[in-house]
Amino acid sequence: AQKITQTQPGMFVQEKEAVTLDCTYDTSDQSYGLFWYKQPSSGEMIFLIYQGSYDEQNATEGRYSLNFQKARKSANLVISASQLGDSAMYFCAMREASNNAGNMLTFGGGTRLMVKP
Amino acid sequence: GAGVSQSPRYKVAKRGQDVALRCDPISGHVSLFWYQQALGQGPEFLTYFQNEAQLDKSGLPSDRFFAERPEGSVSTLKIQRTQQEDSAVYLCASSLVQGIAGNTIYFGEGSWLTVV
Repeated sequence: AQKITQTQPGMFVQEKEAVTLDCTYDTSDQSYGLFWYKQPSSGEMIFLIYQGSYDEQNATEGRYSLNFQKARKSANLVISASQLGDSAMYFCAMREASNNAGNMLTFGGGTRLMVKP
Repeated sequence: GAGVSQSPRYKVAKRGQDVALRCDPISGHVSLFWYQQALGQGPEFLTYFQNEAQLDKSGLPSDRFFAERPEGSVSTLKIQRTQQEDSAVYLCASSLVQGIAGNTIYFGEGSWLTVV
């Protein structure tokens, strides 16, 4: 079974509007972390935001917020006031505390976000 | 340097050629990961080092892939007898310590390998 599922291959958003990128995950661990990364066409993976499984508050970082619904196992990324520079691939990823491989990240398939002027 | 550095950024290899990809992690980072990212897909785990010890290589696709980190800092991913299916971006990442789910993993810009 897929550990991280991103159901939106591509999304369009009008500049200055908000957009939500979906992410659901599957784990039996109690302790885990959820991450969102941005990958522009240059290829680098840029860390955006982190949510711990025990965090009671939704994480926020500037224009990014994470809508964490633990019972539904979802961790959607909300980008407010979209900018043209937000056009990129966005990846949701999970790090499980019990994972022997150094707590490696497991990634979803990504969502391509395109911001329209 | 301040971030994870990878070289070469771009490599075109003829089928059957050996290639070596270098990763210089963030100074002091104990954990080092290699990922393979095919076009249009998410990164897939290849291997993991804690200092100089390769603790997991379960993601390496074949015995043509080999990774090392002899002194616990710089790492090299070597691909022998490259095949066209090896064409991908190879991402290196590092993290300060192991065992903490919330510890952020930082990525380099990747090495883009094209096998012709």
